[in-house]
Amino acid sequence: KAGVTQTPRYLIKTRGQQVTLSCSPISGHRSVSWYQQTPGQGLQFLFEYFSETQRNKGNFPGRFSGRQFSNSRSEMNVSTLELGDSALYLCASGTSVNTGELFFGEGSRLTVL
Amino acid sequence: EDQVTQSPEALRLQEGESSSLNCSYTVSGLRGLFWYRQDPGKGPEFLFTLYSAGEEKEKERLKATLTKKESFLHITAPKPEDSATYLCAVQGGGGADGLTFGKGTHLIIQP
Repeated sequence: KAGVTQTPRYLIKTRGQQVTLSCSPISGHRSVSWYQQTPGQGLQFLFEYFSETQRNKGNFPGRFSGRQFSNSRSEMNVSTLELGDSALYLCASGTSVNTGELFFGEGSRLTVL
Repeated sequence: EDQVTQSPEALRLQEGESSSLNCSYTVSGLRGLFWYRQDPGKGPEFLFTLYSAGEEKEKERLKATLTKKESFLHITAPKPEDSATYLCAVQGGGGADGLTFGKGTHLIIQP
């Protein structure tokens, strides 16, 4: 059974640009969550999607957004990039909304210069 | 606001030397406490869910326990392959804010 797939794995952007990250969940999983991981703050919740609807949202500015498609694949977008957005962005899938038993991908490492 | 504090930040053990990792939490209405393992360059891997005080879960050399204020991850006779960062997370009563993670304990098992 294939795991959670995230693309791209690595990317470098400059301040002010925008970025789109993609996530394909485990087959049959309808919940997709996004987390930001940094050395200083650790893992922080961004948002969760289930059946194409955002169900939960963390405490991040509106520059961070996401969506989910009918096949459960998800994308997140960060606009007007700032240096502090440099982080590992992790996608996780689950079998139900609000589940804490998550299956994480390997992440997309974003560097903002 | 939910909070999770893990200690120690780092721990170096000899192979076979048992120890415990601590996770202290404050949460309004605990829905679940979760342990994950993260290897370098990888995403976290789910280990255990604990729901109520007194509950215990075991998997190979790992045993997780839960009280009303903290959880422990006991590692018995560890092997080098147990080296990883162990993350603790809680989900509060509302469940609307995802998981709140601690910063982890970086465990190194020396042969």
